[in-house]
Amino acid sequence: DARVTQTPRHKVTEMGQEVTMRCQPILGHNTVFWYRQTMMQGLELLAYFRNRAPLDDSGMPKDRFSAEMPDATLATLKIQPSEPRDSAVYFCASGLVLGGRPWDEKLFFGSGTQLSVL
Amino acid sequence: RKEVEQDPGPFNVPEGATVAFNCTYSNSASQSFFWYRQDCRKEPKLLMSVYSSGNEDGRFTAQLNRASQYISLLIRDSKLSDSATYLCVVMNSGGYQKVTFGTGTKLQVIP
Repeated sequence: DARVTQTPRHKVTEMGQEVTMRCQPILGHNTVFWYRQTMMQGLELLAYFRNRAPLDDSGMPKDRFSAEMPDATLATLKIQPSEPRDSAVYFCASGLVLGGRPWDEKLFFGSGTQLSVL
Repeated sequence: RKEVEQDPGPFNVPEGATVAFNCTYSNSASQSFFWYRQDCRKEPKLLMSVYSSGNEDGRFTAQLNRASQYISLLIRDSKLSDSATYLCVVMNSGGYQKVTFGTGTKLQVIP
């Protein structure tokens, strides 16, 4: 079964440290999303890539967060410096959008990275 | 106003009951609609797409009302295994397909 792979599954770090989360989308998918989920806010979109180009990162705090896709098989989300309020589950999802057609493909989510910033 | 709104619940229903969730969206240009299911501490997974004509998958029925800008999910004959959080997802057209999740409705099916 094709799946989205996220690493690490769990990360505990101290405030001020850099955190890097990685995502391997499903082979052939051309869209990648980063979401953050907390009990209070639900799923918040942080960044959205299509064909490795960032299309929307308006949900991401720019001063400390950055998202990249160095190649089609890897997406990264970095937080530097991390803060306790960044504690959440970070999900990566991938999907396939075919140009000009309404979205009719489902999103596949990774298992998430549980981040705790002390 | 949030782009996608759901009643957070929880909905506590007995086994065998019928339960319905609604989800409202604010962008009238929204194009595609879905229901996702998320189990505790797990990732969301697609439950079903929502088509304009309505669609059914076993005990689950999804409906779209464009005029009132809401979608619904009906679960008949609830099972204990239906206990989860149900997320409404709306995708908008435009320069790119923006994907917005509702905060979810929690369902607890009680024996």
